[in-house]
Amino acid sequence: DVKVTQSSRYLVKRTGEKVFLECVQDMDHENMFWYRQDPGLGLRLIYFSYDVKMKEKGDIPEGYSVSREKKERFSLILESASTNQTSMYLCASQNSGAYEQYFGPGTRLTVT
Amino acid sequence: QKEVEQNSGPLSVPEGAIASLNCTYSDRGSQSFFWYRQYSGKSPELIMSIYSNGDKEDGRFTAQLNKASQYVSLLIRDSQPSDSATYLCAVSAGNQFYFGTGTSLTVIP
Repeated sequence: DVKVTQSSRYLVKRTGEKVFLECVQDMDHENMFWYRQDPGLGLRLIYFSYDVKMKEKGDIPEGYSVSREKKERFSLILESASTNQTSMYLCASQNSGAYEQYFGPGTRLTVT
Repeated sequence: QKEVEQNSGPLSVPEGAIASLNCTYSDRGSQSFFWYRQYSGKSPELIMSIYSNGDKEDGRFTAQLNKASQYVSLLIRDSQPSDSATYLCAVSAGNQFYFGTGTSLTVIP
């Protein structure tokens, strides 16, 4: 079974803090993704990566950056957290090609 | 135009009935089609994949694909209260992956 893990299930941070969200997958997948999900807005793609050290902007990259130093690990960084970044953050991994994505359990981030 | 469109619902069906969830997509080059189930507060879970025209059955779930009409559906037979969730349709063309906004399903005991 594919396993995607995320570093925290719940996180509370203050405005202006630097926030790190980590995602690890154990299936040697090439592709990894970060989404945020808000009520009524569905899944929105923040960043994705097709290979180590590669990253591509998704639909809403502003205020975020990512790092992929190892194939199995994809980190999302909020450089200076703001209240409008309060959301559910979901990481997913995928084998290269038109295959299914597998999601981690999600991190519910609250910025106060 | 959105890449993947779903009726947001909510859709309510009585226990034991058939629930029918629909999805249309805009990219004719789409190759792979998926249905995810998402319980409230949880992450999406893959329940069905379909790659060619026709029907694919897995237990109480049947996925139907019609590429000419750019339409994919999910039927849930003998619906159970535990099927109450949001169902996301997803479409993939190469490395492009698009999700619908989901249909909320409630199964009434």
